[in-house]
Formats: sequence, structure tokens, C-alpha cells
Amino acid sequence: QQPVQSPQAVILREGEDAVINCSSSKALYSVHWYRQKHGEAPVFLMILLKGGEQKGHEKISASFNEKKQQSSLYLTASQLSYSGTYFCGTEEAGSYQLTFGKGTKLSVIP
Amino acid sequence: EAGVAQSPRYKIIEKRQSVAFWCNPISGHATLYWYQQILGQGPKLLIQFQNNGVVDDSQLPKDRFSAERLKGVDSTLKIQPAKLEDSAVYLCASSLRGASGTDEQYFGPGTRLTVT
Repeated sequence: QQPVQSPQAVILREGEDAVINCSSSKALYSVHWYRQKHGEAPVFLMILLKGGEQKGHEKISASFNEKKQQSSLYLTASQLSYSGTYFCGTEEAGSYQLTFGKGTKLSVIP
Repeated sequence: EAGVAQSPRYKIIEKRQSVAFWCNPISGHATLYWYQQILGQGPKLLIQFQNNGVVDDSQLPKDRFSAERLKGVDSTLKIQPAKLEDSAVYLCASSLRGASGTDEQYFGPGTRLTVT
């Protein structure tokens, strides 16, 4: 079942923060985050396994609440290079495959 | 390290024609995926191979789509006959380990198919 992402789109000025949410009605084993720039392939950001861990990569971090089957991606002090569409991919327990959400389009303007 | 290679990058065909896409994954990657990405949507898994065996093809429209992975390396995806709704970007991805979605997937540049 396809996860639900929110918001669908967001516009930020450089230096502002953003949160992108991903939720599923299914029990999840992991959540993956990818960023796709226009006309390019999706690029891996991070994986979160069940256990509620939070990961970080410079100014981009994410959390996974396995009780609520929700994950959030946090972008702090946004840069122009953060622009793109962010997809979460969810793996249900035992499925061994990812189901991607419809994406959140992030635009960072000067 | 070379990335995932795909060809062609673009293809325009008429409905009812056939088309084939090719993918060469990252060397040593056991798992290969084909995704369909319709404009404005997330990638949708069509088929997943581990080495040269099919792990999942539940979302592959088997009346018109077929895929194979020769010798556990390269893969081809074929559509015959094509329909207008097949217009999309076809993405190939690979991952290092076995049939587990917890592995990081590396995507190729994709093939943009337009069916007229």
C-alpha cells in the first residue's frame, strides 16, 4: 500500500527549515528517503530501520516512529541544492520491496 | 565505480509497437529492479531480480511486459504491444545484497518512453 507524503509541495527561502512526513497504514520494517532532481534519477539519502532510530547527514536528518508507522525528514538551514522532489519508500515487514509515495516537491529560492 | 547504465535514454513509438530497454547494474550487485515512473508520481516497482531469479513480479502487466536478467548481470525489459498509458520513465536500480529492501538502491538515469 502506497505511503502518504505531506506536504505535496513546499517553497522555502535559503536558510529556512522544512519537515516532510511519510505515513503508512501497514506495519513497516524500514523507511527509505530519496531525492530526485528534475530529469534525473532518484538519489539515496538514508534508510531508517524499525526501532525508532534517528539518522542524520549534515543538515538533513530523519526519524522513524514504528508505533505510528510514520517517518519524518528534517531539512535545516536549506540550501538551493536541496531543491527537488523527495520520496519516501516504505518496506513492509517480510515484503523485501519498496513502495514509494507520490513525493514532496521542495523548492528553495534565494 | 561506474553507476547503473541504461539505454536508450529516450524512445518514441506508436501504440501497438514493441520496445525494449536495457540495463547494466553496478558490478557485483545481486539485486536488480525495474520501476515505472509516471509523471508526477513515485517509482512503481515492476519486477525485482536476485541474481537471475525473479523475487517479485506481482505488479508487472504480464500480458504485455516481460523481463529477463541474463546470467545474473544485464537485464532487458520489453513491452509488446505498447499502449498510450505506458508512457513513463522506466528506471533500473540495483543493490548490493540479496532480496531485502533494506539495502540502498542505486538508480540509473532512466529511459523516457513516449507512446503516441
